[in-house]
Amino acid sequence: EDKVVQSPLSLVVHEGDTVTLNCSYEVTNFRSLLWYKQEKKAPTFLFMLTSSGIEKKSGRLSSILDKKELFSILNITATQTGDSAVYLCAVENFGNEKLTFGTGTRL
Amino acid sequence: NAGVMQNPRHLVRRRGQEARLRCSPMKGHSHVYWYRQLPEEGLKFMVYLQKENIIDESGMPKERFSAEFPKEGPSILRIQQVVRGDSAAYFCASSPSQEAYEQYFGPGTRLTVT
Repeated sequence: EDKVVQSPLSLVVHEGDTVTLNCSYEVTNFRSLLWYKQEKKAPTFLFMLTSSGIEKKSGRLSSILDKKELFSILNITATQTGDSAVYLCAVENFGNEKLTFGTGTRL
Repeated sequence: NAGVMQNPRHLVRRRGQEARLRCSPMKGHSHVYWYRQLPEEGLKFMVYLQKENIIDESGMPKERFSAEFPKEGPSILRIQQVVRGDSAAYFCASSPSQEAYEQYFGPGTRLTVT
């Protein structure tokens, strides 16, 4: 069965800090890994990663994938109060449209 | 371009009643996915539909739950004879095609069974 594990489960930081969120996975036929930010309602899409070693960046957020070691990290620099949310990691297999989510990291 | 729409946003049902949750995908999106989020848990896949077809229902409970995505109108997730354990947030997501991987989520329907 596909498995996604996120760590830490929760994290408290001060404004201005830099944080790193982790996501490791075990899937049968990996196609992509996605990061979402969930505040009180809908998860909002952040990044989709398909290739190892290529950093995706959007403002203060960045993410990278390591397909050999089966993990991804999400970095947030100069954190702000608006970054408070649950960050979800999900993976998708080829031939299977469903996303398998981790339980999230509450920042 | 409106995002994924779900209604109602909140639904309260007594045990044994039926719950109907609706999802209108983003304009131009033909793939719809339903996920359930129990309190303090991650999102769990339930079902994947395209117009008039159920593609993957491997995450749906075998009894009481059904889903459809008719040619016209929204996708509907139906839960018959609800029980307290059905209380959760139900999210719908949509994507334009099989080749476009990102799924965009609606605001969810929070179902409370009393």
